[in-house]
Amino acid sequence: QVQLQQSGAELVKPGTSVKLSCKASGYTFTSNHMNWIKQTTGQGLEWIGIINPGSGGTSYNVKFKGKATLTVDKSSSTAFMQLSSLTPEDSAVYYCAVATWDYWGQGVMVTVSS
Amino acid sequence: DVVLTQTPPTLSATIGQSVSISCRSSQSLLHSNGNTYLNWLLQRPGQPPQLLIYLVSRLESGVPNRFSGSGSGTDFTLKISGVEAEDLGVYYCVQSTHAPWTFGGGTKLELK
Repeated sequence: QVQLQQSGAELVKPGTSVKLSCKASGYTFTSNHMNWIKQTTGQGLEWIGIINPGSGGTSYNVKFKGKATLTVDKSSSTAFMQLSSLTPEDSAVYYCAVATWDYWGQGVMVTVSS
Repeated sequence: DVVLTQTPPTLSATIGQSVSISCRSSQSLLHSNGNTYLNWLLQRPGQPPQLLIYLVSRLESGVPNRFSGSGSGTDFTLKISGVEAEDLGVYYCVQSTHAPWTFGGGTKLELK
């Protein structure tokens, strides 16, 4: 069955970067684009961007340009999102989800704190 | 950006009651290819969202048929015909017609 397995929770310091992973299984990785979504109590669900695993092509929400960088490793069927220059406002749960919204990772909590 | 306004923000229901949630868009969600990319998600506590309805009214595989979606253009509705305990959680509409994709603010369904 289709699964998106995300990496574990992160506690990181302000000003640093973190790279989150989302390993896909149960389907052809390059057949479906991958979304990344941010969830906070205050802002709800926000779409960060999308990547085409086949070509590596990306599209970002302007709000997250410069903050998030999406990449893939086709050999391991894994999508990555790097978040840079972290501030407490980046503390959230981050999800990967296929473009058709029918499969989601379990989410990863990122906490930015000194 | 497209703004999706969901009402009501909270919904109290008894088991067996039928309820509806509205999702109103700030612009038409009809894509130039003829599809309307409006979906409904349910997020149970501590879980990621799950897809219930896609393309306005198509029931996702494995989702009970007490869930139904309708609407067009800018006005969309999710109906639950006979709430069951497992339906409790937060419902979101999400559009992927116009970039950036956007989500509604959510409707929390709780037991009365």
